[in-house]
Amino acid sequence: LAKTTQPISMDSYEGQEVNITCSHNNIATNDYITWYQQFPSQGPRFIIQGYKTKVTNEVASLFIPADRKSSTLSLPRVSLSDTAVYYCLVGDGAAGNKLTFGGGTRVLVKP
Amino acid sequence: SAVISQKPSRDICQRGTSLTIQCQVDSQVTMMFWYRQQPGQSLTLIATANQGSEATYESGFVIDKFPISRPNLTFSTLTVSNMSPEDSSIYLCSAGGTSPNEQFFGPGTRLTVL
Repeated sequence: LAKTTQPISMDSYEGQEVNITCSHNNIATNDYITWYQQFPSQGPRFIIQGYKTKVTNEVASLFIPADRKSSTLSLPRVSLSDTAVYYCLVGDGAAGNKLTFGGGTRVLVKP
Repeated sequence: SAVISQKPSRDICQRGTSLTIQCQVDSQVTMMFWYRQQPGQSLTLIATANQGSEATYESGFVIDKFPISRPNLTFSTLTVSNMSPEDSSIYLCSAGGTSPNEQFFGPGTRLTVL
């Protein structure tokens, strides 16, 4: 499983866009890039996944450059409730969907 | 999606005792997993709970310490045996989804060992 590197923490303010970049230099051809969100005292929640280019859903957008060695999770117009830890994971899902969580990015949204 | 529930939500236990954590999924799933998360830290996979066979443990985790049962496609248990204060942690179970790398997590069991 490819190792990921992401910032330890980020601060933002309500209404701003938050962009979290994750490095995964050793990503394999079959690997997908997946992001999870974890609120305090809860289990992680799958929020978005992509293979290349751009993916958007009701929660976030995921930008993946052509070389796929990094990805950026974009949270538009954050609110206080977006304060959470965001984990970037890389894997092909073939090994029984086994996941390896890195350190995650702690995002604090301030009023 | 799958909804995961865990029991108990939290417990305080004495050193040397054992605690069994239950994980219930609201639908049949092929893959179930158990993780440990120290406060303020990331998740560490303990094992994959295999239905009808022995669990597959990750490096650093052994069956004698963390026996796991998976009697059917909706239920699993994790036992933390002969506990010590170092076992104080949050234990989470999850179920595999249909997309690659997709898992649904339970709320976790917060364990404190005195």
